[in-house]
Amino acid sequence: GQNIDQPTEMTATEGAIVQINCTYQTSGFNGLFWYQQHAGEAPTFLSYNVLDGLEEKGRFSSFLSRSKGYSYLLLKELQMKDSASYLCAVYNFNKFYFGSGTKLNVKP
Amino acid sequence: DTAVSQTPKYLVTQMGNDKSIKCEQNLGHDTMYWYKQDSKKFLKIMFSYNNKELIINETVPNRFSPKSPDKAHLNLHINSLELGDSAVYFCASSQPTGISKQGTEKLFFGSGTQLSVL
Repeated sequence: GQNIDQPTEMTATEGAIVQINCTYQTSGFNGLFWYQQHAGEAPTFLSYNVLDGLEEKGRFSSFLSRSKGYSYLLLKELQMKDSASYLCAVYNFNKFYFGSGTKLNVKP
Repeated sequence: DTAVSQTPKYLVTQMGNDKSIKCEQNLGHDTMYWYKQDSKKFLKIMFSYNNKELIINETVPNRFSPKSPDKAHLNLHINSLELGDSAVYFCASSQPTGISKQGTEKLFFGSGTQLSVL
């Protein structure tokens, strides 16, 4: 089976840094993706990792450790518009398996 | 131009009815998907088509029947709607390569169809 775990909800302050963790146990692995989903909208792609290490894209970074089945999404200089759900997804030969998402609340 | 478009945005209907959701993508992708997002925001794959052929069917009740007339379209027909079918249904497309190399396999989602069965 596929098991992908994320915290349900997190709160952080505008301007701060927040780390959203994701652990996975899947029968196969070909990459890990992060998506952002604002309330009432479709998920949109943020970042991906296929090799171990840190990938940086502006204010967003994502880290992967395949041996530990672990990834995190790091958001820096938080802005109010970053309030959204963040979905971790494991890609395995044409299938994306999603975690239930972490709802991030950014407060002033 | 919208990359993945699905209609309708909202669908409210009575139990027992039959309804369809349409999806079209103009990205030239070979693979299209239907995902269901429940009230807990869990996104679960239902079907996947590659070049009009069904490649993934994740134990979805046979009341749900996808149809792909060509690789740019994937429609979803639902028979005998039940209360538990209430959810948001997302269409998506991607260009998979099997092994992620540059993230090109990423999914592009439609705006979703909120289905409410009364």
